[in-house]
Amino acid sequence: GENVEQHPSTLSVQEGDSAVIKCTYSDSASNYFPWYKQELGKRPQLIIDIRSNVGEKKDQRIAVTLNKTAKHFSLHITETQPEDSAVYFCAASLGGAGGGADGLTFGKGTHLIIQP
Amino acid sequence: EPEVTQTPSHQVTQMGQEVILRCVPISNHLYFYWYRQILGQKVEFLVSFYNNEISEKSEIFDDQFSVERPDGSNFTLKIRSTKLEDSAMYFCASSGVAALGETQYFGPGTRLLVL
Repeated sequence: GENVEQHPSTLSVQEGDSAVIKCTYSDSASNYFPWYKQELGKRPQLIIDIRSNVGEKKDQRIAVTLNKTAKHFSLHITETQPEDSAVYFCAASLGGAGGGADGLTFGKGTHLIIQP
Repeated sequence: EPEVTQTPSHQVTQMGQEVILRCVPISNHLYFYWYRQILGQKVEFLVSFYNNEISEKSEIFDDQFSVERPDGSNFTLKIRSTKLEDSAMYFCASSGVAALGETQYFGPGTRLLVL
């Protein structure tokens, strides 16, 4: 089955600086890669996702890049703000290519701390 | 904006008891999922459901677990005989009409504590 590795486990950056979180996956058939933000005690919330037919996607301060050959994808947050502090999870799935409802395989999460 | 809802928010049960966790997916969604998250750990996939049958299940989803869509709105997860290690946050999720890479929206979760 799919295995997703995520680094680093904790990331502390100064407010206004950029943060980068990296994930690798094992199953070359995976073609859907979402990123979720989870605040303490809350539900995971999708912040951005990318499908395998594109290499990069951007939404304001957040961007995701995908390298299918190397089987890795990264989350980039620019101009970080205190409200960006949370746990971020990457995930991978077949994205329905298996013909059904494909579950997400999550990484272990990155605790992002924005220092004021 | 429509959201996935879950009840109860918290459930405490004795080991060996049966529990049913309930979810109301977003109304026009056709794909439904259960995940669990043990405290401080990653989210783990349990099962997906489409067209009134299980689509995919993980190794965690053994014979103690079952899912059901008893009516047009609810989606339930039953744990027949709870164990201490079943203590976790259980999240329901749903996704829309198109299966290919469709966003999964998560509910607020049910925190299950087995004593």
